[in-house]
Amino acid sequence: DTAVSQTPKYLVTQMGNDKSIKCEQNLGHDTMYWYKQDSKKFLKIMFSYNNKELIINETVPNRFSPKSPDKAHLNLHINSLELGDSAVYFCASSLLAGYGELFFGEGSRLTVL
Amino acid sequence: KNEVEQSPQNLTAQEGEFITINCSYSVGISALHWLQQHPGGGIVSLFMLSSGKKKHGRLIATINIQEKHSSLHITASHPRDSAVYICAVGEEDSNYQLIWGAGTKLIIKP
Repeated sequence: DTAVSQTPKYLVTQMGNDKSIKCEQNLGHDTMYWYKQDSKKFLKIMFSYNNKELIINETVPNRFSPKSPDKAHLNLHINSLELGDSAVYFCASSLLAGYGELFFGEGSRLTVL
Repeated sequence: KNEVEQSPQNLTAQEGEFITINCSYSVGISALHWLQQHPGGGIVSLFMLSSGKKKHGRLIATINIQEKHSSLHITASHPRDSAVYICAVGEEDSNYQLIWGAGTKLIIKP
């Protein structure tokens, strides 16, 4: 059983489209994260939810909207996709906010054409 | 200057060599993480530590809080250890954020 699973793994789409990436964790963790890894391989935090409450909301375009229906799920919706949104998006979870080992999903590679 | 600096950026070694990757940070921390990202892209947590030393198989992580420095050691390195190793620190009294190093790309040649 995969601890943190995200879908889809690959996503190729046209500029201007709207897409979603889903993430689920079965670890019973309270906190989930979305990270963006760009071409230079830096990992940048985008959002974090603790028990369905938004606790980190970094400076990302408001075209990016996270949604956490319950503490086991954190989805990322992106509107009006742009070329610069092409990256690998990683979902992660930890037992508590800012504390505990991080468990990552496999990543979702988004390519915007 | 980044708050978390890793060295070296790139490291190529022969199988069997003892490997050391360094991480220096400039902030007060609650914990330091070492993670591994394989060429396939997956990221795996190796260690989380706030003091002393931890060992898991051939991997050893140490931290010196006074010197604000951590090292990741790999003994008897193997080609399958080839990956990017990333250091990240949880800043004291922060809003739960981690500060990430840029990573060290390690290649172990057979």
